[in-house]
Amino acid sequence: ELKVEQNPLFLSMQEGKNYTIYCNYSTTSDRLYWYRQDPGKSLESLFVLLSNGAVKQEGRLMASLDTKARLSTLHITAAVHDLSATYFCASMNYGGSQGNLIFGKGTKLSVKP
Amino acid sequence: DTEVTQTPKHLVMGMTNKKSLKCEQHMGHRAMYWYKQKAKKPPELMFVYSYEKLSINESVPSRFSPECPNSSLLNLHLHALQPEDSALYLCASSQDLNSYNEQFFGPGTRLTVL
Repeated sequence: ELKVEQNPLFLSMQEGKNYTIYCNYSTTSDRLYWYRQDPGKSLESLFVLLSNGAVKQEGRLMASLDTKARLSTLHITAAVHDLSATYFCASMNYGGSQGNLIFGKGTKLSVKP
Repeated sequence: DTEVTQTPKHLVMGMTNKKSLKCEQHMGHRAMYWYKQKAKKPPELMFVYSYEKLSINESVPSRFSPECPNSSLLNLHLHALQPEDSALYLCASSQDLNSYNEQFFGPGTRLTVL
């Protein structure tokens, strides 16, 4: 059974600092998704990583995937308050039930001035 | 049109009521999903429809009844719910069940069961 673990679960950052959120998954998978959720809102798709070594960047966020280590990272550069939200990573069983997206518990990010 | 819409945004119902949640997308997607999200928890998959046929039912109680009338619409019929069913219900869609396709989420329906 696929399990997805994120750490840290809570992250308080100062504006302008850099930090990384880690996402480990337990079984073979070559796809990893990152979503952002603001309080009381829906999930916004940030990145779709579909191969080993994939790296994608959007603004101050950069995501990468290492399928051999079963690890994805979400790196935050020079954080700003607008990045405050909960970030989820998610994966699927390779060859398993298609559509069964398994989420990590989420990382609640708070960026303070 | 690149969004998934859901109605209503908020719903309060008693345990004896029957209500329905609606989801619509006009992106030509052939896979649609219902997720349940409790406060401070990640979303959990409930149902998956592929080409208007139920593909996955994650052992959801029968008081939740999904329906896919056509390729653009997905309903979730609710009957005799319990207070613990209070949650954010999210609808999502993707091009198809190919797992390389990302899922796009609607704004959700905040359900409260009294």
